[in-house]
Amino acid sequence: EAQVTQNPRYLITVTGKKLTVTCSQNMNHEYMSWYRQDPGLGLRQIYYSMNVEVTDKGDVPEGYKVSRKEKRNFPLILESPSPNQTSLYFCASSGTSGGNQETQYFGPGTRLLVL
Amino acid sequence: AQTVTQSQPEMSVQEAETVTLSCTYDTSESNYYLFWYKQPPSRQMILVIRQEAYKQQNATENRFSVNFQKAAKSFSLKISDSQLGDTAMYFCAFMTGNQFYFGTGTSLTVIP
Repeated sequence: EAQVTQNPRYLITVTGKKLTVTCSQNMNHEYMSWYRQDPGLGLRQIYYSMNVEVTDKGDVPEGYKVSRKEKRNFPLILESPSPNQTSLYFCASSGTSGGNQETQYFGPGTRLLVL
Repeated sequence: AQTVTQSQPEMSVQEAETVTLSCTYDTSESNYYLFWYKQPPSRQMILVIRQEAYKQQNATENRFSVNFQKAAKSFSLKISDSQLGDTAMYFCAFMTGNQFYFGTGTSLTVIP
């Protein structure tokens, strides 16, 4: 089954304790991306990656890191989480066909609470 | 700056009737894609419909259709024969230069 998986689904942590949210896709997609969803703000893009070892900042990259060492994986790293990073996080992936962006598939989301 | 505006935070519709959700966007790019996503209470993001900006014909997927007005930068979603399962948050989004931009969403309730 084609899917994007994220782990963990729920996470409670404390300020300053480094954490990683994993994301994996089994569709051989080149493009992967991270978003955060906050009430009244919709989804905002944090980072995206066009392919292995190629990453770029989205609209809200501050306080986050990513890496793309393998095509299927795109972990999101919070080196020193703060309460304003409490949010619902989504990973997504999509392929390209003839230079055109294909449908973006989303993971189930990770709900993060930073105390 | 790229922006997406959904001016209707909440809407409701009677079951079996038709409803239109509004979306406007602002970009100076000529090549982009437009999307409507549905987010039910499960929080899963589900693609409803997509439109390539270079295509003049409006996209249609079963009961869902769009009215794409490129000059006006408008991309509304029409849901026909509304069903209880259509109750969800709907997000308008567009993609250009490899970046995605989402609106703040419209919460749609279908009333039995």
